[in-house]
Amino acid sequence: DQQVKQNSPSLSVQEGRISILNCDYTNSMFDYFLWYKKYPAEGPTFLISISSIKDKNEDGRFTVFLNKSAKHLSLHIVPSQPGDSAVYFCAASPSNAGNMLTFGGGTRLMVKP
Amino acid sequence: DTAVSQTPKYLVTQMGNDKSIKCEQNLGHDTMYWYKQDSKKFLKIMFSYNNKELIINETVPNRFSPKSPDKAHLNLHINSLELGDSAVYFCASSQWTWRLGPDEQYFGPGTRLTVT
Repeated sequence: DQQVKQNSPSLSVQEGRISILNCDYTNSMFDYFLWYKKYPAEGPTFLISISSIKDKNEDGRFTVFLNKSAKHLSLHIVPSQPGDSAVYFCAASPSNAGNMLTFGGGTRLMVKP
Repeated sequence: DTAVSQTPKYLVTQMGNDKSIKCEQNLGHDTMYWYKQDSKKFLKIMFSYNNKELIINETVPNRFSPKSPDKAHLNLHINSLELGDSAVYFCASSQWTWRLGPDEQYFGPGTRLTVT
């Protein structure tokens, strides 16, 4: 039973437009949410995170929104660039086991020039 | 100057064999992890060591045995390999902090294990 789900396996966006990647979770104990980015033949790299006391966190072109009542978060990339083409993983953890990350299955983003 | 390195990058072996995957980090971190990425692409944590002590041990067959000779190394030994062990195995490291929430984890490039 997957506690973190990314229902879109892939997303294609034109360069310069907005990319929106979605993630849903089922475990109410999750307090922290992270996005990781992964290029082929490399390990995931941390992108941005948000705690459950916030509903938005922004870092440059990347913004993560959290809707606790819907158990949903999304990553917005504006404007999208070809170098953003990668697999994006959503991850979550409870505050009492902070380093115990539960990952979603990933969404492959393709940004077309 | 790779931060988290794993060897080998690819490993093809037959069922029943015993194999090891090595991981080293030069970030000075005190916590290391092993993850398995299965065919459905989910990354699942297997083990975590903090200062050479096991702190996370998920439901993993006894055939998998991690070993941390020092803070910079965490090796994974797998006995009696099975077809279902085929996956990509990622090592990661982080620096333990006492703040709430997860510490940032740095991942290695992965080891693709194929059991035939």
